[in-house]
Amino acid sequence: EPEVTQTPSHQVTQMGQEVILRCVPISNHLYFYWYRQILGQKVEFLVSFYNNEISEKSEIFDDQFSVERPDGSNFTLKIRSTKLEDSAMYFCASSVAQMNTEAFFGQGTRLTVV
Amino acid sequence: DAKTTQPNSMESNEEEPVHLPCNHSTISGTDYIHWYRQLPSQGPEYVIHGLTSNVNNRMASLAIAEDRKSSTLILHRATLRDAAVYYCIPRTGNTPLVFGKGTRLSVIA
Repeated sequence: EPEVTQTPSHQVTQMGQEVILRCVPISNHLYFYWYRQILGQKVEFLVSFYNNEISEKSEIFDDQFSVERPDGSNFTLKIRSTKLEDSAMYFCASSVAQMNTEAFFGQGTRLTVV
Repeated sequence: DAKTTQPNSMESNEEEPVHLPCNHSTISGTDYIHWYRQLPSQGPEYVIHGLTSNVNNRMASLAIAEDRKSSTLILHRATLRDAAVYYCIPRTGNTPLVFGKGTRLSVIA
């Protein structure tokens, strides 16, 4: 069964450092998403991406964040200068269409900022 | 986005049916009702979705009230693997999925 894969599974970084979280969406999917979940809290939407551009973003997704689809298979989330409060699970998701279809989520990357 | 109300937690015995309720009284006429679940230490997983009619798939059934102000996710025979947080998500058009707190389902052997 096709799946969304995320690497690394766990990343530890020092405050102020840049991190790139990587995702390989399902190959025929066109819509891509990043979500995050701070420990013990809700899954929060960050950004959606379609046709090589951001289609929607939340208030959380500020100038410290960026997304990219560099090569037609990977989908990355970059955090420019990490803060302690960026520590969370980050989930990538993809879907073949945007309206009323199933979104497939990856297993997540646990980011720990120290 | 329509506001949803789900019980914080529910418990079920293994191999018994489970009915997970969701109130979404502010839902608009074109919102589909999506259900996802999140097993421990995993990403969310799609369960089922529907608009007006009841829906069945291999995982579950979705019963939607006639006035669409509530719905019930039905797991026909709960297994230990079904222990998860279940999210009811009314979705407007092509807006992203918005997760609430969901219902934490415990399954007792």
